[in-house]
Amino acid sequence: NAGVTQTPKFQVLKTGQSMTLQCAQDMNHNSMYWYRQDPGMGLRLIYYSASEGTTDKGEVPNGYNVSRLNKREFSLRLESAAPSQTSVYFCASSQRAHSGYGYTFGSGTRLTVV
Amino acid sequence: RKEVEQDPGPFNVPEGATVAFNCTYSNSASQSFFWYRQDCRKEPKLLMSVYSSGNEDGRFTAQLNRASQYISLLIRDSKLSDSATYLCVVGGGGSQGNLIFGKGTKLSVKP
Repeated sequence: NAGVTQTPKFQVLKTGQSMTLQCAQDMNHNSMYWYRQDPGMGLRLIYYSASEGTTDKGEVPNGYNVSRLNKREFSLRLESAAPSQTSVYFCASSQRAHSGYGYTFGSGTRLTVV
Repeated sequence: RKEVEQDPGPFNVPEGATVAFNCTYSNSASQSFFWYRQDCRKEPKLLMSVYSSGNEDGRFTAQLNRASQYISLLIRDSKLSDSATYLCVVGGGGSQGNLIFGKGTKLSVKP
């Protein structure tokens, strides 16, 4: 009963390095999301995928790219990390987007960019 | 006006107290409403959905007032384990229709 699994849990990057955050869900959900959470800012949507094969920008997409690899997996890539991207990143999934379904979150990735 | 607004707290209450959190939302077309709970350094978890008729789950009662664009959460007989941040969440009304999360209200229940 894994739900939403994120890897890695912690990461330290140097400015300019790249990395990919991985997310997988085993609930057969159609929609997946990437959020970042910063102190005092709440959860902000980076990108989402309403269904397999589609991705759309959220509130704060700059500096990120995403790939919906298949129905289960949705990855977030930082091509050239910046200190402003230091944050906690959460992946989430839901039965469908644009509906009354709540989201299930992964346990998060704590990223520090130095 | 922010899309979902909550009093950040903290609310410091003794065990056994009743505490209420309020939330307002700006988009009158919103269609879905939730309360999430987030423990320190953990992911948000769905606490309960909020329906127009109001709903109760044990010690927790949620209310929705569409006319005033206002959502509330009442916790009765507070437990130490209720200490967390409570996120008000609204969805279905924006161009993307995704959920919009409030910044949360922090609750600390003391012995």
